Amino acid sequence: EIVLTQSPGTLSLSPGERATLSCRASQSVTGSYLAWYQQKPGQAPRLLIFGASSRATGIPDRFSGSGSGTDFTLTISRLEPEDFAVYYCQYYGDSPWTFGQGTKVEIK
Amino acid sequence: QVQLVESGGGVVQPGGSLRLSCAASGFTFSTYGMHWVRQAPGKGLEWVAVISYDGSIKKYGDSVKGRFTISRDSPKNTMYLQMNSLRAEDTAVYYCAKKSEGGTVAAAFDYWGQGTLVTVSS
Repeated sequence: EIVLTQSPGTLSLSPGERATLSCRASQSVTGSYLAWYQQKPGQAPRLLIFGASSRATGIPDRFSGSGSGTDFTLTISRLEPEDFAVYYCQYYGDSPWTFGQGTKVEIK
Repeated sequence: QVQLVESGGGVVQPGGSLRLSCAASGFTFSTYGMHWVRQAPGKGLEWVAVISYDGSIKKYGDSVKGRFTISRDSPKNTMYLQMNSLRAEDTAVYYCAKKSEGGTVAAAFDYWGQGTLVTVSS
């Protein structure tokens, strides 16, 4: 099983600032089967990034993903008010599909 | 547009059973694998089960293996999760989610339902 560890647990930033979220895998993620999701309170998760760096349909270009092997990063270039939420990384290569514990991006 | 609507949640006693449904529309249901994912109150996401596009492959997370059964009825565009021997730790919002690619290729989850709450309590 691939265990995903996200850091930091909470990121306190102001609108307009840059957010850098980390996701580290316990073993190499083959095929770059790494996704990022955004979840707001009371809502279902929303797919942001798949294949480590490809934006999903309709996702603004201020969201970008990078990384390979065991280290992955989600970057939000300039935080908009609607970006304050919890972000999860996910391994989706095979069973068991796993999620990181989440990073909360909160308003400073 | 793609829609996934879960139903069947509620309050059940420990040891009891519940069947969740996920009604799909807006895409060719029979060509996509589908997942169940749950989220305990205030906690993160936990993958529960997957069923392949044709129903031939089913896989489960360790915490539900032997107790939960995933199935699908493609003519009805509906997926199910039969949950037996429920425990307090199964209390969660249960989401159904669609694979972003058809067939058996690995794919992220591009559409999610709004979730249905299952509460296991005496």
